[in-house]
Amino acid sequence: QVQLVESGGGVVQPGTSLTLSCAASGFAFSSFGIHWVRQAPGKGLEWVAVIWYGGNNKHFAESVKGRFTISGDNSKNTLYLQMNSLRAEDTAVYYCGRELGAGTYEIGYWGQGTLVTVSS
Amino acid sequence: QSALTQPPSASGSPGQSVTISCTGTSSDVGAYNYVSWYQHHPGKVPKLMLYEVTKRPSGVPDRFSGSKSGTTASLTVSGLQADDEADYYCSSYAGNIVVFGGGTKVTVL
Repeated sequence: QVQLVESGGGVVQPGTSLTLSCAASGFAFSSFGIHWVRQAPGKGLEWVAVIWYGGNNKHFAESVKGRFTISGDNSKNTLYLQMNSLRAEDTAVYYCGRELGAGTYEIGYWGQGTLVTVSS
Repeated sequence: QSALTQPPSASGSPGQSVTISCTGTSSDVGAYNYVSWYQHHPGKVPKLMLYEVTKRPSGVPDRFSGSKSGTTASLTVSGLQADDEADYYCSSYAGNIVVFGGGTKVTVL
């Protein structure tokens, strides 16, 4: 059974850093594309980043490029979204999600989300 | 990385159909048949309704259908039901990245 569980959200001050975790079970994250998507309060879904097959093929939205990074721990089957230089506009619920099948690009499985609030 | 364009709202009475458009560019919707649609009830997790333009994941009723012409994709919900009232988002693969639409709030009158 595919499951994704995000953690690490919280309240942080502008300019600081935060790392979100996405623990995967029921599959090996290195075999699929894993995305991060966020939803700011009252706004729509915004794609943030993707890591393809747990490797070095990682891509980011322009809004976070240079500030956010992705890494993975194969032994824990867990992905991390390192968020630096956080801004108020990064306040959102962050979801990690897996494509339905390898190389299909949609997000077929979603975690429950974790809330990040950037505020002084 | 411009967002795909969706109408902010759409509505229909129970039993009727509603169609939502999703307009992109030749770099995303027009370039790939990897358009997806998501249903999002507030406070819940988004749910994949269609992928690769027309395919339905297991468990999604055939009342949901998709199409694409050029740089515009569409989602049609037939036989509207009360539970179809939600926000709907399209997304498209755009060469290593993904782009979402701004979302359409569907109201069942």
